[in-house]
Amino acid sequence: KAGVTQTPRYLIKTRGQQVTLSCSPISGHRSVSWYQQTPGQGLQFLFEYFSETQRNKGNFPGRFSGRQFSNSRSEMNVSTLELGDSALYLCASSWTGVGDEKLFFGSGTQLSVL
Amino acid sequence: DAKTTQPPSMDCAEGRAANLPCNHSTISGNEYVYWYRQIHSQGPQYIIHGLKNNETNEMASLIITEDRKSSTLILPHATLRDTAVYYCIVSPTGGLYNQGGKLIFGQGTELSVKP
Repeated sequence: KAGVTQTPRYLIKTRGQQVTLSCSPISGHRSVSWYQQTPGQGLQFLFEYFSETQRNKGNFPGRFSGRQFSNSRSEMNVSTLELGDSALYLCASSWTGVGDEKLFFGSGTQLSVL
Repeated sequence: DAKTTQPPSMDCAEGRAANLPCNHSTISGNEYVYWYRQIHSQGPQYIIHGLKNNETNEMASLIITEDRKSSTLILPHATLRDTAVYYCIVSPTGGLYNQGGKLIFGQGTELSVKP
């Protein structure tokens, strides 16, 4: 069974640009959540999607957005990139995202903003 | 903010048991204790979770104190591949406390397994 797939693995952008990251969950998983990991702030929850609807959102500015498609694949977008957006962006999936389910994480997309 | 406290780092000799402590003194009755680990440059990996009783799986054992205010993750025979950051997380169950895929990570414990 394939794991969570994130593309691209590495990305370099410049300030002011926008970026789109992609996540394919494990087959059958309908919940997809996104996390940002930086050395200073650690792992922080961005948002979660279930059945194409954003169900939960972390404390990030509106420049960070996402969406989920009918096949449960998800994308996140960051507009007007800032240097501080340089981070490892992780995607995780689970069956429904509730209860005592465990999350399965991808290997992440390493974004560098110059 | 994370509801858990963990030592920032620990060492363990290869082949010995690694015992990683976690304090969660404000845990609520409906909150589970989860353990994940993150090996360098990879995404976090689920290890084990529990509510009240001790749990064991092929990776580790989880010992939760009777008052549920602390727990210990035990890797019975640590190997070099167990070198990672270990995160202890408390998370509510679903229903009224639906967390929708959200886990609150603290800083974790960096475990170094040495030959």
